[in-house]
Amino acid sequence: KQEVTQIPAALSVPEGENLVLNCSFTDSAIYNLQWFRQDPGKGLTSLLLIQSSQREQTSGRLNASLDKSSGRSTLYIAASQPGDSATYLCAATQGGSEKLVFGKGTKLTVNP
Amino acid sequence: EAQVTQNPRYLITVTGKKLTVTCSQNMNHEYMSWYRQDPGLGLRQIYYSMNVEVTDKGDVPEGYKVSRKEKRNFPLILESPSPNQTSLYFCASSSRRLAGGNEQFFGPGTRLTVL
Repeated sequence: KQEVTQIPAALSVPEGENLVLNCSFTDSAIYNLQWFRQDPGKGLTSLLLIQSSQREQTSGRLNASLDKSSGRSTLYIAASQPGDSATYLCAATQGGSEKLVFGKGTKLTVNP
Repeated sequence: EAQVTQNPRYLITVTGKKLTVTCSQNMNHEYMSWYRQDPGLGLRQIYYSMNVEVTDKGDVPEGYKVSRKEKRNFPLILESPSPNQTSLYFCASSSRRLAGGNEQFFGPGTRLTVL
């Protein structure tokens, strides 16, 4: 059964800092891995999706990497801004199925 | 505007009183899914549907039913709600199966309290 872990659970950084959020998964037979953002009281917004055949995806200041062999993905945020403050969730498909398993998230606070 | 809508957004009910949370998407998506989010447990998948009349269990299906009679709608039914179903519920959709590598679009959530 797929298990997804995100470390750290919370992170506080000063504005302008580059940072990395980590996601690990136990079953490497994934179709893809997605990173989401969740603002308090809101739904989830998809940030990046990495197919199992890809190594990384980029969107603006965000870069996500995927290493299936080690069961890891990272989300790199460059030049962080207070508006980046949110909870970041990663999710991986389970064992070649259509089920999606989420990590518990990393709560990011970017201080002005 | 492309979106996933859920109704109601907030609901307080009592144990045993049947309820339905509606979910509708206007993007002609094939794949739809329901999740619940609980503190300390994160998001967990309840049911998903890969097309009309095709549904399957996620990780926590007990106590829930779904139906997919039309492509745009995917209601979540609680036949006899219990307090442990108090949670924040999200509906999501994507254009094709997750295996096709399509991102999911999430609704705004429904906060359910069962007394």
